[in-house]
Amino acid sequence: DGGITQSPKYLFRKEGQNVTLSCEQNLNHDAMYWYRQDPGQGLRLIYYSQIVNDFQKGDIAEGYSVSREKKESFPLTVTSAQKNPTAFYLCASSRRGGDEQYFGPGTRLTVT
Amino acid sequence: KQEVTQIPAALSVPEGENLVLNCSFTDSAIYNLQWFRQDPGKGLTSLLLIQSSQREQTSGRLNASLDKSSGRSTLYIAASQPGDSATYLCAVDGGGSEKLVFGKGTKLTVNP
Repeated sequence: DGGITQSPKYLFRKEGQNVTLSCEQNLNHDAMYWYRQDPGQGLRLIYYSQIVNDFQKGDIAEGYSVSREKKESFPLTVTSAQKNPTAFYLCASSRRGGDEQYFGPGTRLTVT
Repeated sequence: KQEVTQIPAALSVPEGENLVLNCSFTDSAIYNLQWFRQDPGKGLTSLLLIQSSQREQTSGRLNASLDKSSGRSTLYIAASQPGDSATYLCAVDGGGSEKLVFGKGTKLTVNP
């Protein structure tokens, strides 16, 4: 089955720890995205990548980092510099930038 | 800066009713507009994508329209069913930056 997978579904971390969220796609899409969703705020773009080895900051990149070493993978690291990391994180991909975006099932991160 | 508004925030209807969800955006220079469905705790499911040159798109009981000049889109759901209960999100792509700007969604409840 083609699609986007995110793991784990739930993640718990102590404050001050870095944590990496996984996102993999087998759709052969060039573009991949990371969004954050908070109650009552809608989705906000963290980072996006249009091609391997290239990525750009979105609206709320502070405290986050990404890499795009392989076409099918776009991991997101939430660093200790992120002030309010508890949120629902969604990964998406599209054939190329500007095309229809397809989303993964999300990872709910809780930091205490 | 593009802003997307969805009204109402919540809507409750009896089963079988036809309904319309509204989406408005402030900058009419869009590349495309996408409607998504999100079930609680899940990722987003793409419903319809309308390119800026199109007026509407249809998929089954769903019909989405786009009026760029007035900055509006509507999602029409015919003969609603309890399984349609979800949050519906509208997102616009301004082109160039390849990023989607999301509304906060309309939470739809279809009562049996």
